[in-house]
Amino acid sequence: EDQVTQSPEALRLQEGESSSLNCSYTVSGLRGLFWYRQDPGKGPEFLFTLYSAGEEKEKERLKATLTKKESFLHITAPKPEDSATYLCAVQAPTGNQFYFGTGTSLTVIP
Amino acid sequence: GAVVSQHPSRVICKSGTSVKIECRSLDFQATTMFWYRQFPKKSLMLMATSNEGSKATYEQGVEKDKFLINHASLTLSTLTVTSAHPEDSSFYICSATTSVNTDTQYFGPGTRLTVL
Repeated sequence: EDQVTQSPEALRLQEGESSSLNCSYTVSGLRGLFWYRQDPGKGPEFLFTLYSAGEEKEKERLKATLTKKESFLHITAPKPEDSATYLCAVQAPTGNQFYFGTGTSLTVIP
Repeated sequence: GAVVSQHPSRVICKSGTSVKIECRSLDFQATTMFWYRQFPKKSLMLMATSNEGSKATYEQGVEKDKFLINHASLTLSTLTVTSAHPEDSSFYICSATTSVNTDTQYFGPGTRLTVL
């Protein structure tokens, strides 16, 4: 059973066109939800950690929000350099196990 | 801060040979290190978790004798792919957590392994 599902699988935006990426999860007793950015051929780069429903974190054009069953990564006025795959991961209630989604591939067109 | 390096970044080897990949935490002591495998357009698959000085904990379906993990110090973990075969070709990524923040994993840049 999939623990983490991300949608859409791919997203193409015009520069300046704001949108949101979704991460829904079925892990109960969530310890933390993490957002990462991954460029082709590179390791994931840490963006945010969210711990409780209602929490929000911001960094430049990105804002992450969390509810009891899903998280959104909002991208405001994106630029071409925001093009990347965005990964979501949830941490199991016990131990260090992370469950990763398959990512959303974002392309921002100039 | 929290920089993780991997070496080599790319390696090509012949079938049947062994390959060692190093993962280092450059500016912190990594209490726990993780090894992942990633297939094209797929998510990260956790292979094993290792704590310094302890035996690694392998995920179900991961062969311990094929993927040897050593975590000899607080800044270095190694993954050795023994008797590599073409199906072992993949992108291998390590990550580490700090003793201060055990929740957040910081990832290395990955190693692209190609087995001919």
